[in-house]
Amino acid sequence: DTEVTQTPKHLVMGMTNKKSLKCEQHMGHRAMYWYKQKAKKPPELMFVYSYEKLSINESVPSRFSPECPNSSLLNLHLHALQPEDSALYLCASSQLRSGIGTDTQYFGPGTRLTVL
Amino acid sequence: DQQVKQNSPSLSVQEGRISILNCDYTNSMFDYFLWYKKYPAEGPTFLISISSIKDKNEDGRFTVFLNKSAKHLSLHIVPSQPGDSAVYFCAANGNQFYFGTGTSLTVIP
Repeated sequence: DTEVTQTPKHLVMGMTNKKSLKCEQHMGHRAMYWYKQKAKKPPELMFVYSYEKLSINESVPSRFSPECPNSSLLNLHLHALQPEDSALYLCASSQLRSGIGTDTQYFGPGTRLTVL
Repeated sequence: DQQVKQNSPSLSVQEGRISILNCDYTNSMFDYFLWYKKYPAEGPTFLISISSIKDKNEDGRFTVFLNKSAKHLSLHIVPSQPGDSAVYFCAANGNQFYFGTGTSLTVIP
């Protein structure tokens, strides 16, 4: 089983709203990732959690706030977003068996976010 | 700076023929390479990977070739099927994932 689930599938929010994206995996993976993907572009890494600790933050604006409540769950809290933040947000996980360098990442289906 | 490049944004192939998707990288420290397939509005699906100690890995209709001296890898799909139509991303693993820009494959029935 290589399933990563994400909710919601679609989200429309105003610029003053606060919302959260959720991601879950039950593969025992110890690394979890948030990516942002715009149309016709490759996924862009936002955050990496390894062993439930934030290990990489790719200079993401503070209006995006990640949280890793436990090894299976990953949240992305959204506040005061801009229309240019509209994108597909992807969660991924990997085993972290021998370091991030030799891991296969498994992706969820994504949340399509629209900011009005 | 794009460390992983896919120079062909699109490719069309007749059903039953071979599809060859190419990928180039710049960092000789990369030691693990992957191919993902992506349908619109869905997450990438892992297809096949190869470690830098190998030059070929095969899984069913999919074969990945790695030429370390040329810093080049390719994905061969034989025979191509209409359901293979999607965007294909190559990725290289160093201290983090680096994705290529993607190649949109269309398999014509």
